[in-house]
Amino acid sequence: EDKVVQSPLSLVVHEGDTVTLNCSYEVTNFRSLLWYKQEKKAPTFLFMLTSSGIEKKSGRLSSILDKKELSSILNITATQTGDSAIYLCAVVRLTGGGNKLTFGTGTQLKVEL
Amino acid sequence: GAGVSQSPRYKVAKRGQDVALRCDPISGHVSLFWYQQALGQGPEFLTYFQNEAQLDKSGLPSDRFFAERPEGSVSTLKIQRTQQEDSAVYLCASSLLGGTDFQETQYFGPGTRLLVL
Repeated sequence: EDKVVQSPLSLVVHEGDTVTLNCSYEVTNFRSLLWYKQEKKAPTFLFMLTSSGIEKKSGRLSSILDKKELSSILNITATQTGDSAIYLCAVVRLTGGGNKLTFGTGTQLKVEL
Repeated sequence: GAGVSQSPRYKVAKRGQDVALRCDPISGHVSLFWYQQALGQGPEFLTYFQNEAQLDKSGLPSDRFFAERPEGSVSTLKIQRTQQEDSAVYLCASSLLGGTDFQETQYFGPGTRLLVL
C-alpha cells in the first residue's frame, strides 16, 4: 500500500528559529514529490521535486529530495509567525488514470513571538 | 477566474440529507481532482476527471458519493444520504493537462467544509 509519512506531526518554535520538516514515502511508480503550505484555506504550492539531490529554494524556504532514502526535507530559516501553517507533502505517482497524489498527514508548525 | 473556486464554503447538513458541492476549476485546465480531508489528516484522493471523462473514481468511499463534470469544466460532487463520517473538508484541484506529464502542479480551491449533524 502506498504510504507517505511526515514528521514531526506538530512543532512549536520561536521566531527566528530554523526548522526542518521530514517526509518519507513508499509508493509505486513514483514521479515527483510536492510540498504544499495549508493555512485555513486551500493548500498552496511550494515546491515540486523530481530529481534527487537538487535543492529547490524560494526565499527562506528550501527543499531537497533523496530518492535513495525515499525522503525529502523542507527547511525554513529565520521563521516568522506567518509561517505558521500545516505543511503537506504529497507524492505524485502515475496510474492508469493519470497522475495521482498521495498526501501525508502534514506537519503543523506554529511560530511564536 | 484567477484560481479554483468552490461553493458553498460551508455546509451543515442533517444526517440523511443529500448535498451537492461545486467546483469551478481554473479556466482551460483539463484535469480536475476531488479530495476529502478529515480533521488532522492530509487530503485523500476521491476521483479524477480529464475533461468530462471520469478516469478514476477509486477513492470514492461508497456508492453514496457521485461526481460529474458534464461539460468538462465545472464539476459537482454529490453525497446522498449523508452520514456523520462524511464530515470533512472537500477540496477540488485542477491542473492544466494532468495526463502523464508528472511535471504538472495541481492548484487547489479553498474547499467546502461539510458538517453532518
